[in-house]
Amino acid sequence: AQKVTQAQTEISVVEKEDVTLDCVYETRDTTYYLFWYKQPPSGELVFLIRRNSFDEQNEISGRYSWNFQKSTSSFNFTITASQVVDSAVYFCALSAPAGNNRKLIWGLGTSLAVNP
Amino acid sequence: NAGVTQTPKFQVLKTGQSMTLQCAQDMNHNSMYWYRQDPGMGLRLIYYSASEGTTDKGEVPNGYNVSRLNKREFSLRLESAAPSQTSVYFCASIWTGDSNQPQHFGDGTRLSIL
Repeated sequence: AQKVTQAQTEISVVEKEDVTLDCVYETRDTTYYLFWYKQPPSGELVFLIRRNSFDEQNEISGRYSWNFQKSTSSFNFTITASQVVDSAVYFCALSAPAGNNRKLIWGLGTSLAVNP
Repeated sequence: NAGVTQTPKFQVLKTGQSMTLQCAQDMNHNSMYWYRQDPGMGLRLIYYSASEGTTDKGEVPNGYNVSRLNKREFSLRLESAAPSQTSVYFCASIWTGDSNQPQHFGDGTRLSIL
């Protein structure tokens, strides 16, 4: 069965601190996709990144970086020099390309509060 | 650049009333999804439609029906609303022919059942 675990329910940091959000996944598929979405207080879901199972390169986008490690089934997300605008709930999700299905399996989310 | 449009954005119903949530996408996506989001539960899939003319149950389909009216539109119907269906509902779509695509989400419908 597929499963995504975000063990950190809530994290609180002070502005400019670095923070890492953990994501551990379970799947028997050899081909799969991992995603991070951000949900700010306004409620919409904002796509951040997609990574496929064959691409273990880490990615950096501005203050955001992602560390994908198949050996530990983890896809962790780091925010460097956090800002108040980073306050949101962050979701990790897993998808297997089973036919036209592409259902997403979601973690429960990590609520990040960045305090000034 | 509308993307995925959900209507209404907010709704209050009384127990037993019926309602249809509308979702439309203008990105020529083939697959569409309905999720509900509850505190502490994350997003849970209600129904999905892999292509026009097909629908399948997700994780929590009880109490809901769906219609894939055409390629653009995917509606979710509550026939007899219950307080347990108070939630935020998200519609999403994707073009499964491109493995680089993420699901695109609407802004959500906040539904309260009294």
